[in-house]
Amino acid sequence: GAGVSQTPSNKVTEKGKYVELRCDPISGHTALYWYRQSLGQGPEFLIYFQGTGAADDSGLPNDRFFAVRPEGSVSTLKIQRTERGDSAVYLCASSISGAKDTQYFGPGTRLTVL
Amino acid sequence: QKEVEQDPGPLSVPEGAIVSLNCTYSNSAFQYFMWYRQYSRKGPELLMYTYSSGNKEDGRFTAQVDKSSKYISLFIRDSQPSDSATYLCAIDSGGGADGLTFGKGTHLIIQP
Repeated sequence: GAGVSQTPSNKVTEKGKYVELRCDPISGHTALYWYRQSLGQGPEFLIYFQGTGAADDSGLPNDRFFAVRPEGSVSTLKIQRTERGDSAVYLCASSISGAKDTQYFGPGTRLTVL
Repeated sequence: QKEVEQDPGPLSVPEGAIVSLNCTYSNSAFQYFMWYRQYSRKGPELLMYTYSSGNKEDGRFTAQVDKSSKYISLFIRDSQPSDSATYLCAIDSGGGADGLTFGKGTHLIIQP
């Protein structure tokens, strides 16, 4: 079946602008994760959804970052007042039900803030 | 000290060689250990998943966990040019916070 998909694949924006990144998880997966991967680094956890609710948002770096999953499927990561330091690949992953289950990753969205 | 340490490489070996990739971790609460492979401009792909000390084998890949030393390894036998990628170790506490903690990744190059 289809894997995790993310759109757009690339996003270039200017400092101070607002961006939205979308994730479509594998059908039937209740758990959804967002990670950020900077150049030369491993993915860094941002937020975890179980169904519609954010079960753990301890990785969000500051209040400019926000994510939603209103219907328990598609999720959107929203970044306000983007800064050059936000430039990274934003990865989404999903798993069947959460803890201890295999996380399947999407291809990521490469965000560049000029 | 970061929770998971991994040498970023690059590690370059000839085709057919045995490759050894390693990570150390600091938190003894970690219970689940994974190795992901990531090709350039792609998302990570799970290779191996284990939750106990000892060895787990899958084809040319063997994952080894030593909880007493907080040390995990991935061995690749008969390495192929198609194995060239970044290998990420990932660890899960299995508790309430379900995000994985990743190492930096080791960039592996298999020379034909």
